[in-house]
Amino acid sequence: ETGVTQSPTHLIKTRGQQVTLRCSSQSGHNTVSWYQQALGQGPQFIFQYYREEENGRGNFPPRFSGLQFPNYSSELNVNALELDDSALYLCASSPGRTSFSGNTIYFGEGSWLTVV
Amino acid sequence: AQRVTQPEKLLSVFKGAPVELKCNYSYSGSPELFWYVQYSRQRLQLLLRHISRESIKGFTADLNKGETSFHLKKPFAQEEDSAMYYCALGEYGNKLVFGAGTILRVKS
Repeated sequence: ETGVTQSPTHLIKTRGQQVTLRCSSQSGHNTVSWYQQALGQGPQFIFQYYREEENGRGNFPPRFSGLQFPNYSSELNVNALELDDSALYLCASSPGRTSFSGNTIYFGEGSWLTVV
Repeated sequence: AQRVTQPEKLLSVFKGAPVELKCNYSYSGSPELFWYVQYSRQRLQLLLRHISRESIKGFTADLNKGETSFHLKKPFAQEEDSAMYYCALGEYGNKLVFGAGTILRVKS
């Protein structure tokens, strides 16, 4: 068990709506990243937070935003949903600021978002 | 741009046969490379990383900077190895760049 839990596991939204996905990381994991995984593709990096500040962003528009809280929980918010936003959204956490160099990144099971 | 390529979507082998899952990358700096595995109905998990030079579940992977490759190998496949395998590149700033993945199917 990795200690990374995500909610909800599945949800359906209508185009134009807004969605909030939640992640609870393992205690002591100060770094959290979010990834989008479209069907048949590998995960793509959305952004990363370290101690409640954004610490890197992938090639995603500003309508994708996030928050990280002191209790090791975090959120991914997507505004103005589009059909192409349908995907599995993965949360990943790690203990250090630099996720590599010995630190392991732990993934949650993901939230399946369907936009209709 | 940094990129990870896994040329095979599906690799099907018989139990006991050798396995090689291919991964090629493009990266301008000194790469950190990983293999992640996702078994059926389970979450993505780290299998191995190149800096550890370890063998996990009989799998090994050697970084070849000349060929920009990080192929995953196992001499004798087992049925429980059937899963989706992702090669990933660690970028500066803690970001992982994933390949599209290869499904490994081990037949009995």
